[in-house]
Amino acid sequence: AQSVTQLDSQVPVFEEAPVELRCNYSSSVSVYLFWYVQYPNQGLQLLLKYLSGSTLVKGINGFEAEFNKSQTSFHLRKPSVHISDTAEYFCAVSGGSNYKLTFGKGTLLTVNP
Amino acid sequence: EAGVVQSPRYKIIEKKQPVAFWCNPISGHNTLYWYLQNLGQGPELLIRYENEEAVDDSQLPKDRFSAERLKGVDSTLKIQPAELGDSAVYLCASSRRDASYNEQFFGPGTRLTVL
Repeated sequence: AQSVTQLDSQVPVFEEAPVELRCNYSSSVSVYLFWYVQYPNQGLQLLLKYLSGSTLVKGINGFEAEFNKSQTSFHLRKPSVHISDTAEYFCAVSGGSNYKLTFGKGTLLTVNP
Repeated sequence: EAGVVQSPRYKIIEKKQPVAFWCNPISGHNTLYWYLQNLGQGPELLIRYENEEAVDDSQLPKDRFSAERLKGVDSTLKIQPAELGDSAVYLCASSRRDASYNEQFFGPGTRLTVL
């Protein structure tokens, strides 16, 4: 079985500040890890993914995430956020040949001017 | 390339009424998923299709929910009768079966309100 825990339900930050959204997972098999973003009244858009190889993954819109196997974490970071980054962010895990994506409950990032 | 299309975007019905949602996946994507997203929660898988076959429907409440993908392309999810607790966003996603990883592309969702 797989599970994902997003440690913060809401993260308020000021524009141009750095941000980190935390994600921990559990799985009994090797995993693929994903971060999706959901803007209001829209579907989910893939930000970045970890499949294998380098543990530092770069995605769209200046986001990056680091896979830490020993800590079973996949935290999302951005060095300087914009107002337009305000959205809900979901961490998800998929294990091996299992095509099921298991999502966390999401973190609402609010960027204030 | 067109994305995943869903309709309607919004639906308001009274409890005990039937409702149906439609999804057209990205061309060439033979895997289709329906997810339920409750307010403040992440999406939860309801059913997964490989072409026209439902290969994982273990989370679909079969007493009132049904789904079909007759020609292996577009799909319909139905609720009959709807209950107040069914108010949520219903997301459709698709992916390529032959991909080495499970990257799913999501539609905009249908927001259902049951009064």
